[in-house]
Amino acid sequence: DTEVTQTPKHLVMGMTNKKSLKCEQHMGHRAMYWYKQKAKKPPELMFVYSYEKLSINESVPSRFSPECPNSSLLNLHLHALQPEDSALYLCASSQVGEISAGGPPVQFFGPGTRLTVL
Amino acid sequence: AQKVTQAQTEISVVEKEDVTLDCVYETRDTTYYLFWYKQPPSGELVFLIRRNSFDEQNEISGRYSWNFQKSTSSFNFTITASQVVDSAVYFCALNLEETSGSRLTFGEGTQLTVNP
Repeated sequence: DTEVTQTPKHLVMGMTNKKSLKCEQHMGHRAMYWYKQKAKKPPELMFVYSYEKLSINESVPSRFSPECPNSSLLNLHLHALQPEDSALYLCASSQVGEISAGGPPVQFFGPGTRLTVL
Repeated sequence: AQKVTQAQTEISVVEKEDVTLDCVYETRDTTYYLFWYKQPPSGELVFLIRRNSFDEQNEISGRYSWNFQKSTSSFNFTITASQVVDSAVYFCALNLEETSGSRLTFGEGTQLTVNP
């Protein structure tokens, strides 16, 4: 199974709502990533989890709260978002480890959740 | 600091034409890794290729080929006999050796439209 799944596909929320995005992979990967992608822009890294521990936080506002309950699941909790947070949120997973002779681990991406904040 | 430039914002071709997507990178490191990803309208980024800085051999995979030239810091991607299904945004990305795991610097992407 080489698939990363994300739910929901689409989400519309108000600025006072609390919602969560979910990501799941069954490839045995121990690194998982959250990206934010605005229209016509490349993905921007938000968070990286390595062995279920947060290893990178790219100075993301606290209204975004990641969680990695186990090696297969990654959540992104959303609270008090702003309209400018509307974007495609992508999850990815990869092997963990220092770069080997073959190169850094390849990241496999899910289809994303398209978030609209009203 | 590293940077990836994809100067072509949008390219439009007619089916069966060959098309080359340009990627120019900047890094002071001697060891680095380059990637190409495809993002179709469905949103998912699809991995196409990974190449390290010591391997300048060109690669061909079906209708896809990649030309890596360290002398010009370029890693260009050619699609031969393009098809409508090739329509997507294509991202070139750079990963440096000292970064543990995988941390990608993406270019701005090139929107390829293949018309029937």
